[in-house]
Amino acid sequence: DGGITQSPKYLFRKEGQNVTLSCEQNLNHDAMYWYRQDPGQGLRLIYYSQIVNDFQKGDIAEGYSVSREKKESFPLTVTSAQKNPTAFYLCASSTVAGLQIGELFFGEGSRLTVL
Amino acid sequence: QQPVQSPQAVILREGEDAVINCSSSKALYSVHWYRQKHGEAPVFLMILLKGGEQKGHEKISASFNEKKQQSSLYLTASQLSYSGTYFCGTEYLLGLNTGFQKLVFGTGTRLLVSP
Repeated sequence: DGGITQSPKYLFRKEGQNVTLSCEQNLNHDAMYWYRQDPGQGLRLIYYSQIVNDFQKGDIAEGYSVSREKKESFPLTVTSAQKNPTAFYLCASSTVAGLQIGELFFGEGSRLTVL
Repeated sequence: QQPVQSPQAVILREGEDAVINCSSSKALYSVHWYRQKHGEAPVFLMILLKGGEQKGHEKISASFNEKKQQSSLYLTASQLSYSGTYFCGTEYLLGLNTGFQKLVFGTGTRLLVSP
């Protein structure tokens, strides 16, 4: 079955450590996204990519980094520079036709807790 | 830049109707609507393009007013399964040079349907 796989589902990190969240899709979508979800703040865009080897900062990119070396993979690294990293992270993918973003397909999410 | 959703929360009895609004301070290219149940990933409901109105899901429909930069989601004859948090996602045209699009979500509207 086609879909998006995020791992790990739960992750605990000590302050000062970097951590990488994995996101893999087999939907053959060109575009991939990372969102952060905090209670009462909805989904906030961290990074997005519409083609391999290119990505753009979203609204809250500080303290995060990404890579897009393969079409199906878009890992997110939460660095020690991110001051409040405890959150629920969602990865998504979509088609892009011209300037139109298609339906977003979301992974199950990764819940990061900093101890 | 985040679109504003209203109301923040609504409680309905089964069979009642509700309207959720989404407004933007910037010109919109399209609007997406998603529903998220507790502990799950958001699920796509529909996309509205400029001037278009689409019925995409059960008894849920939506409208998009480009001039007012607003979209509304209409839930009629609500069912228990409609409970969850509804998010609008707005797509802005970043610029003619970049051609890259991003989807920015609102803070969400929590809907509870009781028997």
